[in-house]
Order: sequence, then structure tokens, then C-alpha cells
Amino acid sequence: QVTLKESGPVLVKPTETLTLTCTVSGFSLSNARMGVSWIRQPPGKALEWLAHIFSNDEKSYSTSLKSRLTISKDTSKSQVVLTMTNMDPVDTATYYCARILLYWSAFYFDYWGQGTLVTVSS
Amino acid sequence: SYVLTQPPSVSVAPGQTARITCGGNNIGSKSVHWYQQKPGQAPVLVVYDDSDRPSGIPERFSGSNSGNTATLTISRVEAGDEADYYCQVWDSSSDQVVFGGGTKLTVL
Repeated sequence: QVTLKESGPVLVKPTETLTLTCTVSGFSLSNARMGVSWIRQPPGKALEWLAHIFSNDEKSYSTSLKSRLTISKDTSKSQVVLTMTNMDPVDTATYYCARILLYWSAFYFDYWGQGTLVTVSS
Repeated sequence: SYVLTQPPSVSVAPGQTARITCGGNNIGSKSVHWYQQKPGQAPVLVVYDDSDRPSGIPERFSGSNSGNTATLTISRVEAGDEADYYCQVWDSSSDQVVFGGGTKLTVL
């Protein structure tokens, strides 16, 4: 059974750094056909892709947020970590991690975590 | 940057067919995936690679993709299909994942 679970602070102050952890089970982060992505959703708004990481440690970041994001993984712990610096109230959102399934030259998100709501406020 | 355009809302009566579009420049050359999101829940994949269904997704859900428009079609709509639907592609030229703005499906 594939599961992903996000963990991290529910409240951060403006200018602080957010660190979120995605703990996965039911698959290995070393599987060449898989990866993990972070996606967020402000209240009442659309999904926004943030970053992803693949088994070979290849990483990609949203162009608009690249300077603030870092994604990494610990395969032995089955964890993917996202850090976002200089948090602002507009970053208030539910943050999801999702499994990527690669096929041919494309991929999609076949399993999602339940999401964690992060509020940015002083 | 690549942009996906969805209508904000679509309404349909139970038993009828709902069609949700996703517009993008030459989107027919990309693989399009669709997600269903009910209030307070995480998104669920309902169609991948334009027209394939994951296991457990009813045959009522289908997809197509050609030219500048991809379409998610839901046949014999049920009250339980009421949700937000998002299309998604990977733009290889910029290495960016793009989501559409979402469409709220209302079952009348």
C-alpha cells in the first residue's frame, strides 16, 4: 500500500524558513520510475507545483520560486524534505507531497499525501 | 511560460454528460493528466496520458486531447462527481509542471 505523509509546522512567522518532510511507504525512493513532488494550494485557489526530485537525485524547481526552494531526499529514511526560505503570508497554503510515476518521456502524480496546512502569520 | 486555461465552472444535471476543457498552445503534443478534488480532500488522479484511467476509476471518466484543447468527459454524471477538476502537463521545454486553474463541476 502506497502512502505519503507530510509533516512540519502549522504556523511560521514571516521571514522564517519552512521545512516540510514527506515520509513515504509502499515504494522506494530509489525506484527509477518514481519520484516525489511538492505541490501547494492556497485556500480557495488552484494547485501550484513547487519542486520534484527523482531517484537519480535529479531536481526541478518552479521558476517563480526557485530562489527560495531546496528539495532533497534521504532514501534510507524514505523521506523527501522541502525547505522554503523567507516565508510570507501569501505562502499560506496546504502543502502536498505526491508520488511521481514516470512513463516514456512524461509523468503524473498517482498518489498524494493528505496535505498539511501551513499558515504564515506573526 | 506554458499556460493551461480551464473554465471556472461547469454545471450539469444528473445523468447527463459533463465536458471540462483544458486549453493550451499545441497541447495535443503533450500528455495531459486530470485530477479530481473534493472539498477538504487531496486530489485524486482520474485520467492520465490523455485518456487512460487508473484502476478504480469508473469508465464514465474519459479523456481526449487534440490541437489546442484537451477534454475530460464524465458520462452519466452523479452527485458524487461534484468536485474541482484540474488538468496538468509537464512542459519539457522549460522543465516545469503546469496545472490548469481548475474547474468546479456542479451537479444540478
